Amino acid sequence: GAVVSQHPSWVICKSGTSVKIECRSLDFQATTMFWYRQFPKQSLMLMATSNEGSKATYEQGVEKDKFLINHASLTLSTLTVTSAHPEDSSFYICSAREAGETEAFFGQGTRLTVV
Amino acid sequence: GQNIDQPTEMTATEGAIVQINCTYQTSGFNGLFWYQQHAGEAPTFLSYNVLDGLEEKGRFSSFLSRSKGYSYLLLKELQMKDSASYLCAVRDSNYQLIWGAGTKLIIKP
Repeated sequence: GAVVSQHPSWVICKSGTSVKIECRSLDFQATTMFWYRQFPKQSLMLMATSNEGSKATYEQGVEKDKFLINHASLTLSTLTVTSAHPEDSSFYICSAREAGETEAFFGQGTRLTVV
Repeated sequence: GQNIDQPTEMTATEGAIVQINCTYQTSGFNGLFWYQQHAGEAPTFLSYNVLDGLEEKGRFSSFLSRSKGYSYLLLKELQMKDSASYLCAVRDSNYQLIWGAGTKLIIKP
């Protein structure tokens, strides 16, 4: 199956700093990428959908100025958590889908801890 | 509103069979997915149903009834490694994935 690589797997940062998470499709062109957040014992919550070369579409309640998403190429999307606070600590997961395909493949996830 | 219901937790015995149900109410329907998620890891794809009926893939099978808004995931010959959360997700008319809260499956020896 297709491979999506997410980096880093875990990160600890200080409150007020910014953290960038990368999501790469290794063997296919990801025309659409999805960013999710998952709190402990809860299901995935879609944060935003990004299509290559265009601005991301954010879900209601997700601050676009806080969670910056860039999908500049067909194999890379980035999520930057700006001015992180402890309540942003969560498991962030990306998934990527090729044009015309049904299935989206998930990255390994990034566990963010803000101290 | 859109809603997906699945049991919060189930327990089964190693070697047995377990059925995890999922009912949904969504704005349109463009397919139903089942994912497996081990603790601390990202979900992995198990199955996709868009037409009524049973899809079999090894020890796992998934069934869909669109008229009833109902699906189930059937796991046979359970192994300890099957202990995980199982997520049901439906793609609505806008091609957005609506996720269930997941069913935590506990396998006992």
